[in-house]
Amino acid sequence: GAVVSQHPSRVICKSGTSVKIECRSLDFQATTMFWYRQFPKQSLMLMATSNEGSKATYEQGVEKDKFLINHASLTLSTLTVTSAHPEDSSFYICSARDGLASSSYEQYFGPGTRLTVT
Amino acid sequence: SQQGEEDPQALSIQEGENATMNCSYKTSINNLQWYRQNSGRGLVHLILIRSNEREKHSGRLRVTLDTSKKSSSLLITASRAADTASYFCATDVKAAGNKLTFGGGTRVLVKP
Repeated sequence: GAVVSQHPSRVICKSGTSVKIECRSLDFQATTMFWYRQFPKQSLMLMATSNEGSKATYEQGVEKDKFLINHASLTLSTLTVTSAHPEDSSFYICSARDGLASSSYEQYFGPGTRLTVT
Repeated sequence: SQQGEEDPQALSIQEGENATMNCSYKTSINNLQWYRQNSGRGLVHLILIRSNEREKHSGRLRVTLDTSKKSSSLLITASRAADTASYFCATDVKAAGNKLTFGGGTRVLVKP
C-alpha cells in the first residue's frame, strides 16, 4: 500500500528558531500534499494544500510567511515553521494524494511530527 | 466551523460490545471517509463511502451514509481492546477542491 513518511517524528526547539518538517511519499507520486495541525484531543485542521511545482494554497487564518511550504518534487513536501513560538507546539501531519491513481480520492497520511517549542 | 460534527465525543464500552458513532455534515459531498487514530500517531484510513452509496462493510466495520440527512454512522461490531482509538469522519466536499474536512472525532475506549 501507499506509504507516507515524515521526518522528524519529534522535535524540540527553542523559541525563535525555525524547524523544517519533511513529508515523503515512498512508493507513489504525490501531485498534491496536505498539511494539517492537531492540538491535543482535538481534530485535524487543514493548514495548506501543496501542489508540486506551484505555490501552496493556505487556509484562512494560516500565516503563509510563518509556515513555509515547498513541494519541489513529486515525492517531497516540506513545512518550515519559522520563528517558532510555544503556541506553535502541536502535532503536524501531512497527507498525500496519489496523482496517478484511477481513484484519487484517498489521502495517505504520514505518522505525524510532534513539535515542542520551549 | 467544521464541516463534520461527531457524536458522541467519547464512548466507553466492554470488549465484545458494538460501538456506534455518528457524523453530520453541512454541504454536498463527493465522499465521506472514516479514519482511526491511535494516541499520538498518524491516521489510518478505514472506509470511504461515495455520495451515491448507502452502506459499506469492511470486516467488523459498517458505514452508512444518508445524504438526505447529511449524516453517516460507523459501527464497530464485536469490539476489541485494540479498537481503542479516536475515530474521525472526513468529508470530501465538491466545492472545496477535494480537500478533506475532519469532524471533531469520537474517542473510543474498549475495556477488556
